[in-house]
Amino acid sequence: KAGVTQTPRYLIKTRGQQVTLSCSPISGHRSVSWYQQTPGQGLQFLFEYFSETQRNKGNFPGRFSGRQFSNSRSEMNVSTLELGDSALYLCASSLDGGSNTEAFFGQGTRLTVV
Amino acid sequence: AQSVSQHNHHVILSEAASLELGCNYSYGGTVNLFWYVQYPGQHLQLLLKYFSGDPLVKGIKGFEAEFIKSKFSFNLRKPSVQWSDTAEYFCAVNAENYGQNFVFGPGTRLSVLP
Repeated sequence: KAGVTQTPRYLIKTRGQQVTLSCSPISGHRSVSWYQQTPGQGLQFLFEYFSETQRNKGNFPGRFSGRQFSNSRSEMNVSTLELGDSALYLCASSLDGGSNTEAFFGQGTRLTVV
Repeated sequence: AQSVSQHNHHVILSEAASLELGCNYSYGGTVNLFWYVQYPGQHLQLLLKYFSGDPLVKGIKGFEAEFIKSKFSFNLRKPSVQWSDTAEYFCAVNAENYGQNFVFGPGTRLSVLP
């Protein structure tokens, strides 16, 4: 079956712009989570959506937001981009969003802010 | 708040050597524990997980891990590594009933020399 698909794979944006990243989970998966991966901070949890509702949120400023659609696809948005937002953004999906359920990760979107 | 530490930043081994990667976490409640692997150019994949029962869990590709509750540890082991095990390894914890909110360790880069 198809894995988690993230688009686009690479993005270059300018400081102050906003960006939207997309994630298509594995078919049938209802939970989508987002993570930011940087060399300095590692993998950090952004938020989780389950059945179109944000269920958990990490410690990121309000410039980071997301949503989930009825088909479980998810988008995350970052407004007023800063240089420090340059990172690999990973999306993960899971079948039921349980805390002991495996998360399946996408390849990520590499965002560069210049 | 939960946190995860991994003992080594970079480990270099020769093929057929034994591997042990250390992972410790801090959290007072019940947790689920995971090891994920990221091969060069690929997405994160689950190696193994523990959420209850036998504290010695076996995963894919000959990996195993032991949960020692009293030490808050979940160390990853493999008796004989192969060149193809070259990758970055991440330990992750997820508090029970916290959905898909994973806290990842900083990662350990494993280089296996042929």
